[in-house]
Amino acid sequence: AQSVTQLDSQVPVFEEAPVELRCNYSSSVSVYLFWYVQYPNQGLQLLLKYLSGSTLVKGINGFEAEFNKSQTSFHLRKPSVHISDTAEYFCAVRGTYKYIFGTGTRLKVLA
Amino acid sequence: KAGVTQTPRYLIKTRGQQVTLSCSPISGHRSVSWYQQTPGQGLQFLFEYFSETQRNKGNFPGRFSGRQFSNSRSEMNVSTLELGDSALYLCASSSPVNTEAFFGQGTRLTVV
Repeated sequence: AQSVTQLDSQVPVFEEAPVELRCNYSSSVSVYLFWYVQYPNQGLQLLLKYLSGSTLVKGINGFEAEFNKSQTSFHLRKPSVHISDTAEYFCAVRGTYKYIFGTGTRLKVLA
Repeated sequence: KAGVTQTPRYLIKTRGQQVTLSCSPISGHRSVSWYQQTPGQGLQFLFEYFSETQRNKGNFPGRFSGRQFSNSRSEMNVSTLELGDSALYLCASSSPVNTEAFFGQGTRLTVV
Protein backbone atom coordinates (compact mmCIF):
# COMPACT_ATOMS: atom_id res chain seq x y z
CA ALA A 1 0.00 0.00 0.00
CA GLN A 2 1.12 3.53 -0.67
CA SER A 3 1.70 5.95 2.17
CA VAL A 4 3.27 9.31 2.91
CA THR A 5 5.04 10.42 6.07
CA GLN A 6 5.73 14.02 6.91
CA LEU A 7 8.29 13.98 9.65
CA ASP A 8 7.67 17.40 11.17
CA SER A 9 4.27 18.61 12.34
CA GLN A 10 5.50 22.18 12.87
CA VAL A 11 8.50 24.08 11.59
CA PRO A 12 9.26 27.58 12.88
CA VAL A 13 11.77 29.60 10.86
CA PHE A 14 12.85 33.21 10.74
CA GLU A 15 12.02 35.37 7.74
CA GLU A 16 14.64 35.21 4.94
CA ALA A 17 16.08 31.96 6.35
CA PRO A 18 16.05 28.74 4.31
CA VAL A 19 13.60 25.96 5.09
CA GLU A 20 13.22 22.27 4.34
CA LEU A 21 10.00 20.34 4.88
CA ARG A 22 10.54 16.62 4.90
CA CYS A 23 8.44 13.98 3.19
CA ASN A 24 9.00 10.24 2.82
CA TYR A 25 6.82 7.95 0.78
CA SER A 26 6.19 4.25 0.47
CA SER A 27 5.17 2.73 -2.83
CA SER A 28 5.82 -0.45 -4.72
CA VAL A 29 5.05 1.12 -8.07
CA SER A 30 6.13 4.20 -9.95
CA VAL A 31 5.12 7.29 -8.05
CA TYR A 32 3.63 10.61 -8.84
CA LEU A 33 4.43 12.99 -5.97
CA PHE A 34 2.97 16.36 -5.10
CA TRP A 35 3.29 19.19 -2.63
CA TYR A 36 0.22 21.27 -1.83
CA VAL A 37 -0.13 24.38 0.35
CA GLN A 38 -3.19 25.32 2.38
CA TYR A 39 -3.81 28.80 3.78
CA PRO A 40 -6.33 29.24 6.61
CA ASN A 41 -9.91 28.49 5.59
CA GLN A 42 -8.85 27.71 2.04
CA GLY A 43 -8.56 24.67 -0.16
CA LEU A 44 -5.31 23.14 -1.35
CA GLN A 45 -3.12 24.80 -3.95
CA LEU A 46 -0.54 22.86 -5.93
CA LEU A 47 3.05 23.98 -5.34
CA LEU A 48 4.83 21.42 -7.52
CA LYS A 49 4.73 17.87 -8.78
CA TYR A 50 7.09 15.08 -9.75
CA LEU A 51 5.99 12.73 -12.50
CA SER A 52 9.22 11.59 -14.12
CA GLY A 53 12.45 12.97 -15.52
CA SER A 54 14.59 15.46 -13.65
CA THR A 55 14.64 14.75 -9.95
CA LEU A 56 14.80 18.46 -9.08
CA VAL A 57 11.40 20.01 -9.50
CA LYS A 58 10.72 23.72 -9.36
CA GLY A 59 7.35 25.08 -8.34
CA ILE A 60 5.57 28.30 -7.62
CA ASN A 61 6.55 30.93 -5.05
CA GLY A 62 10.23 29.94 -5.17
CA PHE A 63 9.75 26.42 -3.83
CA GLU A 64 11.56 23.36 -5.15
CA ALA A 65 11.69 19.69 -4.24
CA GLU A 66 14.04 16.84 -4.93
CA PHE A 67 12.90 13.31 -5.68
CA ASN A 68 15.24 10.74 -4.17
CA LYS A 69 14.28 7.21 -5.11
CA SER A 70 16.92 5.46 -3.01
CA GLN A 71 15.82 7.31 0.12
CA THR A 72 12.14 7.36 -0.89
CA SER A 73 12.02 11.05 -0.10
CA PHE A 74 10.57 14.17 -1.69
CA HIS A 75 11.67 17.06 0.52
CA LEU A 76 10.44 20.58 -0.13
CA ARG A 77 12.86 23.51 0.10
CA LYS A 78 12.91 27.26 -0.18
CA PRO A 79 16.14 29.27 0.08
CA SER A 80 14.54 32.33 1.70
CA VAL A 81 11.09 32.35 3.26
CA HIS A 82 8.66 35.23 3.65
CA ILE A 83 5.99 35.91 6.22
CA SER A 84 3.42 35.11 3.53
CA ASP A 85 4.72 31.52 3.36
CA THR A 86 3.12 30.82 6.73
CA ALA A 87 0.68 28.01 5.94
CA GLU A 88 0.23 24.25 6.13
CA TYR A 89 2.03 22.11 3.59
CA PHE A 90 0.95 18.66 2.47
CA CYS A 91 2.94 16.03 0.64
CA ALA A 92 0.88 13.57 -1.41
CA VAL A 93 1.26 10.52 -3.60
CA ARG A 94 -1.23 9.62 -6.28
CA GLY A 95 -2.91 6.27 -5.78
CA THR A 96 -5.64 4.56 -7.77
CA TYR A 97 -8.21 7.28 -8.46
CA LYS A 98 -7.23 9.09 -5.25
CA TYR A 99 -4.48 11.02 -3.51
CA ILE A 100 -2.87 9.89 -0.29
CA PHE A 101 -1.78 12.79 1.87
CA GLY A 102 0.69 13.16 4.68
CA THR A 103 -0.43 14.64 7.97
CA GLY A 104 0.85 18.08 7.03
CA THR A 105 3.59 20.41 8.23
CA ARG A 106 2.68 23.77 9.66
CA LEU A 107 5.28 26.32 8.57
CA LYS A 108 5.44 29.36 10.82
CA VAL A 109 7.60 32.19 9.53
CA LEU A 110 8.76 34.53 12.28
CA ALA A 111 9.63 38.21 11.81
CA LYS B 1 -11.39 29.52 -16.50
CA ALA B 2 -13.41 29.15 -13.32
CA GLY B 3 -11.98 26.94 -10.60
CA VAL B 4 -13.68 24.25 -8.56
CA THR B 5 -16.74 25.67 -6.83
CA GLN B 6 -18.13 24.24 -3.63
CA THR B 7 -21.38 25.31 -2.04
CA PRO B 8 -22.19 26.21 0.59
CA ARG B 9 -18.97 27.44 2.23
CA TYR B 10 -20.31 27.02 5.74
CA LEU B 11 -23.01 24.85 7.28
CA ILE B 12 -24.26 24.27 10.79
CA LYS B 13 -26.40 21.20 11.35
CA THR B 14 -27.83 19.35 14.31
CA ARG B 15 -27.00 15.76 15.21
CA GLY B 16 -29.26 13.34 13.42
CA GLN B 17 -29.94 15.61 10.47
CA GLN B 18 -28.69 15.02 6.98
CA VAL B 19 -26.72 17.33 4.71
CA THR B 20 -25.93 17.65 1.02
CA LEU B 21 -22.80 19.36 -0.27
CA SER B 22 -22.28 20.41 -3.86
CA CYS B 23 -19.23 20.60 -6.09
CA SER B 24 -18.91 22.02 -9.60
CA PRO B 25 -15.66 20.95 -11.25
CA ILE B 26 -13.52 22.89 -13.66
CA SER B 27 -15.11 22.92 -17.08
CA GLY B 28 -14.04 19.82 -19.01
CA HIS B 29 -12.99 17.86 -15.94
CA ARG B 30 -14.86 14.59 -15.59
CA SER B 31 -13.23 13.25 -12.44
CA VAL B 32 -14.44 14.55 -9.09
CA SER B 33 -13.17 13.36 -5.73
CA TRP B 34 -14.08 14.22 -2.16
CA TYR B 35 -11.94 14.45 0.97
CA GLN B 36 -12.69 15.02 4.63
CA GLN B 37 -10.21 17.12 6.59
CA THR B 38 -10.14 17.11 10.39
CA PRO B 39 -7.43 18.13 12.86
CA GLY B 40 -7.20 14.60 14.21
CA GLN B 41 -7.34 12.50 11.05
CA GLY B 42 -5.95 14.90 8.47
CA LEU B 43 -7.06 14.53 4.84
CA GLN B 44 -9.06 11.37 4.29
CA PHE B 45 -10.31 10.19 0.90
CA LEU B 46 -14.08 9.71 0.67
CA PHE B 47 -14.83 8.75 -2.95
CA GLU B 48 -14.09 9.48 -6.58
CA TYR B 49 -16.42 9.70 -9.54
CA PHE B 50 -15.76 9.69 -13.25
CA SER B 51 -18.52 10.01 -15.84
CA GLU B 52 -21.19 9.33 -13.21
CA THR B 53 -19.50 6.13 -11.99
CA GLN B 54 -17.89 5.70 -8.61
CA ARG B 55 -14.42 4.31 -9.23
CA ASN B 56 -13.03 4.30 -5.73
CA LYS B 57 -14.32 4.65 -2.19
CA GLY B 58 -12.57 5.35 1.08
CA ASN B 59 -13.13 3.72 4.43
CA PHE B 60 -16.17 5.63 5.62
CA PRO B 61 -19.53 4.35 6.89
CA GLY B 62 -22.49 4.03 4.57
CA ARG B 63 -23.92 7.29 5.94
CA PHE B 64 -21.55 8.98 3.51
CA SER B 65 -22.67 8.78 -0.08
CA GLY B 66 -22.16 10.67 -3.28
CA ARG B 67 -23.18 10.94 -6.87
CA GLN B 68 -22.15 12.63 -10.06
CA PHE B 69 -24.41 14.09 -12.69
CA SER B 70 -24.07 14.06 -16.46
CA ASN B 71 -22.60 17.59 -16.40
CA SER B 72 -19.89 16.29 -14.00
CA ARG B 73 -21.23 18.23 -11.04
CA SER B 74 -21.13 16.15 -7.88
CA GLU B 75 -22.92 16.02 -4.59
CA MET B 76 -22.11 14.25 -1.39
CA ASN B 77 -24.64 13.42 1.27
CA VAL B 78 -24.16 12.61 4.92
CA SER B 79 -27.14 11.16 6.75
CA THR B 80 -27.74 10.89 10.48
CA LEU B 81 -25.06 13.41 11.29
CA GLU B 82 -22.74 12.84 14.24
CA LEU B 83 -20.59 15.34 16.11
CA GLY B 84 -17.53 13.66 14.63
CA ASP B 85 -18.65 14.55 11.12
CA SER B 86 -17.67 18.16 11.79
CA ALA B 87 -14.93 18.83 9.26
CA LEU B 88 -13.82 20.69 6.19
CA TYR B 89 -15.03 18.78 3.14
CA LEU B 90 -12.92 19.33 0.07
CA CYS B 91 -13.78 18.55 -3.50
CA ALA B 92 -11.19 18.18 -6.25
CA SER B 93 -11.45 17.78 -9.99
CA SER B 94 -9.03 16.55 -12.59
CA SER B 95 -8.91 15.58 -16.23
CA PRO B 96 -7.17 12.66 -17.95
CA VAL B 97 -4.63 15.16 -19.28
CA ASN B 98 -3.83 16.75 -15.94
CA THR B 99 -1.90 14.72 -13.43
CA GLU B 100 -2.84 16.89 -10.48
CA ALA B 101 -6.07 17.54 -8.64
CA PHE B 102 -7.52 21.04 -8.43
CA PHE B 103 -9.24 21.74 -5.14
CA GLY B 104 -12.18 23.90 -4.20
CA GLN B 105 -12.20 26.09 -1.12
CA GLY B 106 -14.18 23.53 0.82
CA THR B 107 -17.37 23.39 2.84
CA ARG B 108 -16.95 23.80 6.58
CA LEU B 109 -19.57 21.59 8.26
CA THR B 110 -20.23 22.00 11.96
CA VAL B 111 -22.49 19.50 13.71
CA VAL B 112 -23.94 20.63 17.02
